[in-house]
Amino acid sequence: EIVLTQSPATLSLSPGERATLSCRASQSVSSYLAWYQQKPGQAPRLLIYDASNRATGIPARFSGSGSGTDFTLTISSLEPEDFAVYYCQQRSNWPHSITFGQGTRLEIK
Amino acid sequence: EVQLVESGGGLVQPGRSLRLSCAASGFTFDDYAMHWVRQAPGKGLEWVSGISWNSGSIGYADSVKGRFTISRDNAKNSLYLQMNSLRAEDTALYYCAKDTRLGGMGLYYFDYWGQGTLVTVSS
Repeated sequence: EIVLTQSPATLSLSPGERATLSCRASQSVSSYLAWYQQKPGQAPRLLIYDASNRATGIPARFSGSGSGTDFTLTISSLEPEDFAVYYCQQRSNWPHSITFGQGTRLEIK
Repeated sequence: EVQLVESGGGLVQPGRSLRLSCAASGFTFDDYAMHWVRQAPGKGLEWVSGISWNSGSIGYADSVKGRFTISRDNAKNSLYLQMNSLRAEDTALYYCAKDTRLGGMGLYYFDYWGQGTLVTVSS
């Protein structure tokens, strides 16, 4: 099973600042990586898929990069609504398997 | 508008069974893979199982393999999860989620989610 490790566990920033979240895979996942945002009491929301493609309706301040084992989610200028928990997720074939990282909590400083 | 509505959760004793259902609408159900994802109280997300559009590809997390069975009925636009030999560690909010990819046999990402149904395993 591919393990995803996210860092940091908690990130404290102020609105307007740039946020950089990391996700590292235990083995290569090529570009098969997604990022989700989850707010309290809500279902997760897909932000980025295939490492760098923004999902429908996602603001341009969210961007993803990386391939292989190292990936980054960047929020260029934090808005108040961006403070939430972020998860990365990978998928693989044969056997069909999907795993999530443990999450990064982005909190207001 | 895509809607996913889960049902079937509740309180169940360890070792017993439960069947979850997910009613889908607002998209062509038999064009997409579907998934179950769970979240234990205060914890992170865990993918449980996924099934391709034609049930030809199925995957399970190691933690549920041999105990849970995913299925779908395309005529009824419904997804199911049969959960047997339930354990305390299966306690979680179970989400039904739609895959992003049209057709194919792979399982990819989740672009729409239901609100979840809570399963509590306790004596």
